[in-house]
Amino acid sequence: EAGVAQSPRYKIIEKRQSVAFWCNPISGHATLYWYQQILGQGPKLLIQFQNNGVVDDSQLPKDRFSAERLKGVDSTLKIQPAKLEDSAVYLCASSQGPHTYEQYFGPGTRLTVT
Amino acid sequence: AQRVTQPEKLLSVFKGAPVELKCNYSYSGSPELFWYVQYSRQRLQLLLRHISRESIKGFTADLNKGETSFHLKKPFAQEEDSAMYYCALGSGGSYIPTFGRGTSLIVHP
Repeated sequence: EAGVAQSPRYKIIEKRQSVAFWCNPISGHATLYWYQQILGQGPKLLIQFQNNGVVDDSQLPKDRFSAERLKGVDSTLKIQPAKLEDSAVYLCASSQGPHTYEQYFGPGTRLTVT
Repeated sequence: AQRVTQPEKLLSVFKGAPVELKCNYSYSGSPELFWYVQYSRQRLQLLLRHISRESIKGFTADLNKGETSFHLKKPFAQEEDSAMYYCALGSGGSYIPTFGRGTSLIVHP
């Protein structure tokens, strides 16, 4: 089966600009996650969706980050405006449901904010 | 608060040598522990979990609640084991792992 797809793979922007990342989960996976991985650290959850509803967004900096999964399939994560500290790899993952640690990760989007 | 500590950023060994990647955790409840691996140019993936008590690719890990540790071990390292390894803690039914900072394992020929 095809894995989790993400685009773009790399993005370089200047601070205060906006950026959006896209994720397509594994077909049939109801749960979708966005993680932020800063260099030298492990992934940290930003937001979790179950179908098109938000399950957990407690770690999402809502003043600048937003995410949606309107039709319960693809998802978009946006940063507006970006700060230097947003430089990181943004990982999307999906799972069949919310009650499992069997998450399948995408290749990630490496964001550099200059 | 829950926390995962991987004290080594880098572990370098020769092929055939034993490997132990250290992981300590802090959690007041009943933990679930995992090891994830990311090979070069590949995706992050689950390697093993403590409740499975299985050996994957020759790796094993035992949960020691007294020492709050979950070290990953392999008796004879192979070059293809070179990767980034992350220890992770699951808790309280949230099914969202808390990751450590990761240890880069390099196995020299």
